[in-house]
Amino acid sequence: DIQMTQSPSSLSASVGDRVTITCRASQSISTYLNWYQQKPGKAPKVLLYAASTLQSGVPSRFSASGSGTDFTLTINSLQPEDFATYYCQQSSNTPLTFGQGTRLEIE
Amino acid sequence: QEQLQESGPGLVKPSETLSLTCTVSGGSISGYSWNWIRQPPGKGLEWIGYIYYSGRTKYKPSLTSRITMSVDTSKNQFSLRLSSVTAADTAVYYCARKTGNPYYFDSWGQGTLVTVSS
Repeated sequence: DIQMTQSPSSLSASVGDRVTITCRASQSISTYLNWYQQKPGKAPKVLLYAASTLQSGVPSRFSASGSGTDFTLTINSLQPEDFATYYCQQSSNTPLTFGQGTRLEIE
Repeated sequence: QEQLQESGPGLVKPSETLSLTCTVSGGSISGYSWNWIRQPPGKGLEWIGYIYYSGRTKYKPSLTSRITMSVDTSKNQFSLRLSSVTAADTAVYYCARKTGNPYYFDSWGQGTLVTVSS
């Protein structure tokens, strides 16, 4: 199985801040990497797919990059609605696997 | 906009079989893979497996011996059966659609909590 490791596991930030979350794959996954946002009691929602493509309707303050084994998600100018848990997910090989999540909290 | 809705018992006894159905509305079940993903309370996401509209399946290897997925294209539904459940199978179960290349989960059900307890 491909292991996905996110860092940090949790993060405190303020409205207006810029934050970066990293995701590392245990082997190369090219750009088969997706990012999801999950709020309490809700299903995850895709933010970006194929490592850097913004899903329709997602604000442009979300961006992502990377290929191979190392990936980053950046949120510019944090908004109150961005405080949530973020997951990376690889779609290179089955079993499809997720990172353990990064909880973004208000400082 | 396509919608997915999980249904099934919220409580299952240990050693019994968990059965869930996902109904797809507002679109066709053809042309995509249909996935089950679960999330134990307070924990992360675990992919369980998928079924294509054609009936072809792919399961997580560690669960293969206990999983059966099926699809009913006439009802726009797909189903999960997980046998011999234990407390470790307690989770919110989501159904989700996975797109073709690039592969990602673009539509999700709201999730349903299944508790394994006697």
